[in-house]
Amino acid sequence: SQKIEQNSEALNIQEGKTATLTCNYTNYSPAYLQWYRQDPGRGPVFLLLIRENEKEKRKERLKVTFDTTLKQSLFHITASQPADSATYLCALDEAGGSARQLTFGSGTQLTVLP
Amino acid sequence: DGGITQSPKYLFRKEGQNVTLSCEQNLNHDAMYWYRQDPGQGLRLIYYSQIVNDFQKGDIAEGYSVSREKKESFPLTVTSAQKNPTAFYLCASSRGELFFGEGSRLTVL
Repeated sequence: SQKIEQNSEALNIQEGKTATLTCNYTNYSPAYLQWYRQDPGRGPVFLLLIRENEKEKRKERLKVTFDTTLKQSLFHITASQPADSATYLCALDEAGGSARQLTFGSGTQLTVLP
Repeated sequence: DGGITQSPKYLFRKEGQNVTLSCEQNLNHDAMYWYRQDPGQGLRLIYYSQIVNDFQKGDIAEGYSVSREKKESFPLTVTSAQKNPTAFYLCASSRGELFFGEGSRLTVL
């Protein structure tokens, strides 16, 4: 069966360190993978999109990698800050650009400790 | 500012009642979506619409209905047929990545 797994429900790290979040999938062939941030009681906000033929994507302190052999994406936040505390969702797109085909993971709750 | 507006933010329903959640966007996007979010689960697609006067069922459409009479508006009705309606409902629009509203939290009394 198809499955998307994001690493441990909660991740606590010290301010200034790099946070690494994992998104593993089985029985999918995603053309795109997206990452969203969600704050408590609010809607998710789009962060980054990476295509299947891209190994890495960066945006400011954020970096996403995509390994289709390992069926895994890693999401890194460098020099983390308490303001980065939130739930981070990965989403797979098998159809290549149609949001209809997005399937979401359950998210990883990140807490950055001051 | 451009964005997605959902209302109400909190809604309480008695068993047997239908309720309608509003979703309005001024991003000029053709595609709009409704998702349901439950604790510990990923977002699940209820309905989506790619164009005015047309919409499609998502993965969990039973007990819900929608309309798309205007490009800007995509209301969701939670009917009495939905057996477990208590959840956080999210509306989104898209021209690629998803733009979400702030959500509506529905509680059944």
